Amino acid sequence: NAGVTQTPKFQVLKTGQSMTLQCAQDMNHNSMYWYRQDPGMGLRLIYYSASEGTTDKGEVPNGYNVSRLNKREFSLRLESAAPSQTSVYFCASSWWDFYNEQFFGPGTRLTVL
Amino acid sequence: KNEVEQSPQNLTAQEGEFITINCSYSVGISALHWLQQHPGGGIVSLFMLSSGKKKHGRLIATINIQEKHSSLHITASHPRDSAVYICAAITLTGTASKLTFGTGTRLQVTL
Repeated sequence: NAGVTQTPKFQVLKTGQSMTLQCAQDMNHNSMYWYRQDPGMGLRLIYYSASEGTTDKGEVPNGYNVSRLNKREFSLRLESAAPSQTSVYFCASSWWDFYNEQFFGPGTRLTVL
Repeated sequence: KNEVEQSPQNLTAQEGEFITINCSYSVGISALHWLQQHPGGGIVSLFMLSSGKKKHGRLIATINIQEKHSSLHITASHPRDSAVYICAAITLTGTASKLTFGTGTRLQVTL
């Protein structure tokens, strides 16, 4: 089992460009999450999906959109990237909700110039 | 001020030492996670607990919900324990849950 996979691992964008971060899990988990991690601020939840077909905003959703394509895949889209979105992005999944163990992907390091 | 505070921010220990990392929170919570982030960046979940104590190998986590405090202990520390340890508190707002992370404790264990 691959667990949680994320693509790409690294990305450099110019201000205003768009991109989609892909995430997939093969553990048949119901819930999936997108986090960003910034120095000195810890992990912050961007969006999450409690089940296929549902998505909810987290702590810092502005500037992002998500799609829960099916049970396995949860993508994060930056429509018009800004330097403030330079961060490391982690996708995670869990069996049901926040009370369950979360399994994290390897992360995507995004730089917006 | 963060709702979830960890101390110390940085910790250096010698191999074999007993280590304690603290997590305190200013709001009522229902449960708390402890995570480990490896030097390469990968994050793994260590514990989720809502009361009492949990043990896994050399790791022990305790929580006192009423006192708003949790601790992670590492017995007989080893250089491979060097990592950032992160606590994350689950709070309930109405019917919605929220997960708030501490900024982490960076542990370095030397020979």
